[in-house]
Amino acid sequence: NAGVTQTPKFQVLKTGQSMTLQCAQDMNHEYMSWYRQDPGMGLRLIHYSVGAGITDQGEVPNGYNVSRSTTEDFPLRLLSAAPSQTSVYFCASSTGDRGTFYGYTFGSGTRLTVV
Amino acid sequence: AQSVSQHNHHVILSEAASLELGCNYSYGGTVNLFWYVQYPGQHLQLLLKYFSGDPLVKGIKGFEAEFIKSKFSFNLRKPSVQWSDTAEYFCAVKPDSGGYQKVTFGTGTKLQVIP
Repeated sequence: NAGVTQTPKFQVLKTGQSMTLQCAQDMNHEYMSWYRQDPGMGLRLIHYSVGAGITDQGEVPNGYNVSRSTTEDFPLRLLSAAPSQTSVYFCASSTGDRGTFYGYTFGSGTRLTVV
Repeated sequence: AQSVSQHNHHVILSEAASLELGCNYSYGGTVNLFWYVQYPGQHLQLLLKYFSGDPLVKGIKGFEAEFIKSKFSFNLRKPSVQWSDTAEYFCAVKPDSGGYQKVTFGTGTKLQVIP
């Protein structure tokens, strides 16, 4: 089925380890983003990309890197995991017409625990 | 920067009761408005959206929302809830003239429907 695919679904890391959360979409959406979801805080934007080769920081970018080499893929890298990065991570993509935002399609999420 | 308030954090209803979830935003210009639903253990799914025109918007699964510009509100309603509506509901706002990264989510309302 078309949509946004995230892997892995669950991950446990030790403090200081690094890892990459994968995100791929097959809808030819130009806009992709990463959010983290924490209880009582809603969704907060980590990084986003408006197209291949273009990325920028969101609200909470510290400790994370992204790259966008293709339209389809938008991986999120945790450089040195910290317990504060324990969260559920969602990748989302969108398209629009002349700037109109049609709404996000979300991936199924990655539940990350840092111990 | 805009903000979104969802005043009800946790709502408990019996089946067949009517539902209204509040969403207020702070932004002086034209906005695009969204409601998302997150069923337990799943990703966010778009329920409905408003861009312009008729302020009463109908979405999937019998949900509707009304945009009241003078009150900066976009409340979600359903005449008769079912147990399967148990989920967390998120309101989101995007300034019409802003980029995709300007989407702001509320902190969510957890709805529990008791059979």
